[in-house]
Amino acid sequence: SAVISQKPSRDICQRGTSLTIQCQVDSQVTMMFWYRQQPGQSLTLIATANQGSEATYESGFVIDKFPISRPNLTFSTLTVSNMSPEDSSIYLCSTNLAGGLTDTQYFGPGTRLTVL
Amino acid sequence: GDSVTQMEGPVTLSEEAFLTINCTYTATGYPSLFWYVQYPGEGLQLLLKATKADDKGSNKGFEATYRKETTSFHLEKGSVQVSDSAVYFCALSGSGSSNTGKLIFGQGTTLQVKP
Repeated sequence: SAVISQKPSRDICQRGTSLTIQCQVDSQVTMMFWYRQQPGQSLTLIATANQGSEATYESGFVIDKFPISRPNLTFSTLTVSNMSPEDSSIYLCSTNLAGGLTDTQYFGPGTRLTVL
Repeated sequence: GDSVTQMEGPVTLSEEAFLTINCTYTATGYPSLFWYVQYPGEGLQLLLKATKADDKGSNKGFEATYRKETTSFHLEKGSVQVSDSAVYFCALSGSGSSNTGKLIFGQGTTLQVKP
């Protein structure tokens, strides 16, 4: 399995500001995913980020609020823009290492965001 | 669209008790099925998976069998330990023409094991 790291591990932010979360994989991967886990809830996919193309967003998520970069095959960032308390969640990145659509996804440790 | 439904928690058991967490799914085609575990304060870890009907996934004493006829993937363990206390998520990968590689998660079931 891959080693997936995220930075920061947690942060407390003021409303109206933005936070960029980094995700680093220790091997080259095609597909990376960003999920949100609201307090006490399950995981919801925000977007899929493939290197060399625009991220694909799920219903309810927009690029202006959650811009994503994917500059190379081992790295991606998710920005949470103009934050409000409702954005307080754990944000997780994941990847399916072999690139197949049904392959196992491995998750980073998550970024715990609190917005005041 | 595809969906996953898990039994509601929390589930509270005594150590060495038998565990079942129910999971049923709705999907067109033949999804892969997964159980993930989230220990307190940690990220998600893959517990086990099954990729086709009648497959049995197993790991750390946990088992789940892919039952296409009942569209189920129930998680079982014969004797739970305090260290198994965690949140368990059932998930499927999208199937057929809707397969984009994403995972669809159930709502999670909290398991608390008491000594």
